[in-house]
Amino acid sequence: SQQGEEDPQALSIQEGENATMNCSYKTSINNLQWYRQNSGRGLVHLILIRSNEREKHSGRLRVTLDTSKKSSSLLITASRAADTASYFCAPPSNAGNNRKLIWGLGTSLAVNP
Amino acid sequence: GAGVSQTPSNKVTEKGKYVELRCDPISGHTALYWYRQSLGQGPEFLIYFQGTGAADDSGLPNDRFFAVRPEGSVSTLKIQRTERGDSAVYLCASSSVGNDNEQFFGPGTRLTVL
Repeated sequence: SQQGEEDPQALSIQEGENATMNCSYKTSINNLQWYRQNSGRGLVHLILIRSNEREKHSGRLRVTLDTSKKSSSLLITASRAADTASYFCAPPSNAGNNRKLIWGLGTSLAVNP
Repeated sequence: GAGVSQTPSNKVTEKGKYVELRCDPISGHTALYWYRQSLGQGPEFLIYFQGTGAADDSGLPNDRFFAVRPEGSVSTLKIQRTERGDSAVYLCASSSVGNDNEQFFGPGTRLTVL
């Protein structure tokens, strides 16, 4: 199935450092989304990058997409303790117009004050 | 405007009982999705609706699970004869047509089956 797989599974950094999370997927996509989740509830949409885009910025977030390698990365710059959360990439199902998202295990990010 | 809401926020039930979980999507969103998430895992797709009809119910684990969206807005996920393995956070999301399928999630319902 078209599951997003995040790497690393866990990441611990100091406040102010940058955090990079990677995502790989299996087949062609139209777009890919990144979400954040705090404490096992409330998934929050962070950013969507389309297949014809290589890089996209939103505040302290930078997302890249390499469709030739079927991979994406999320960079959080100047991290803060409040960035502590799990981060998921969500490619769509590869079945035609199916809109369901297929999720991996996520990256658990801990930002230490 | 209001986001996706889910009720109840927590539900504790006994094995074998019937439960209903409700989702109110963002007004005007035609697509509605149900996922469930166990501790330490990513969300697992269950079913999604386009309007009133289930466009894909391939994620429902068995026939104890059923979902409806009779008027194309509110949806109810129904679980019969609950089992301890059904314990999870049940997440609902909605999206509108033509927005690249950006999905907006509710806070979830934490179901605990004793």
